Amino acid sequence: RKEVEQDPGPFNVPEGATVAFNCTYSNSASQSFFWYRQDCRKEPKLLMSVYSSGNEDGRFTAQLNRASQYISLLIRDSKLSDSATYLCVVNGDNFNKFYFGSGTKLNVKP
Amino acid sequence: DAGVTQSPTHLIKTRGQQVTLRCSPKSGHDTVSWYQQALGQGPQFIFQYYEEEERQRGNFPDRFSGHQFPNYSSELNVNALLLGDSALYLCASSWWGQGTETQYFGPGTRLLVL
Repeated sequence: RKEVEQDPGPFNVPEGATVAFNCTYSNSASQSFFWYRQDCRKEPKLLMSVYSSGNEDGRFTAQLNRASQYISLLIRDSKLSDSATYLCVVNGDNFNKFYFGSGTKLNVKP
Repeated sequence: DAGVTQSPTHLIKTRGQQVTLRCSPKSGHDTVSWYQQALGQGPQFIFQYYEEEERQRGNFPDRFSGHQFPNYSSELNVNALLLGDSALYLCASSWWGQGTETQYFGPGTRLLVL
């Protein structure tokens, strides 16, 4: 079983739509959770950390459900510039080892 | 403030050859992690260096080895290259004191093995 699993998509949505991605993780001892964004042929960039109480950064909201071992990312009012692959990242049984999901591709269309 | 830099940007090798990739961490960072990203996949953790020692390792064979220098820069070496080693190799730097939570990635080195 993979450490982190994501729906690969693609999610094709119109501008202004709300879209949600989910990610599940296998290690119940994981303590750190992140969403990264990766544009085509570029390096991943940190979008936001995910905290137990949930957190928001502008149009982006991240949630963590430890009981069900899943993480979500909600994007409101999608922009064309949001088109990218979104990677879910979880630390493993060791604090310093991180596991990436395969990514969910988002296409925002005019 | 220079970010994470990697060299070379692209590389073409043939099966059986050896390759060395280089990474300079972001200013102020002392920890370097290496990842392999195959096409259509997420980055896979190879290993991590801190204080010139390998601290963590992912599920990669011994053909993959590394080194960290006193100035915190790092090298990734891959011996006996296989076709399946073709991928984007990413270096990420962080500060050990932060528990390596925030990682900054370099632009990567694209390796093609023919």
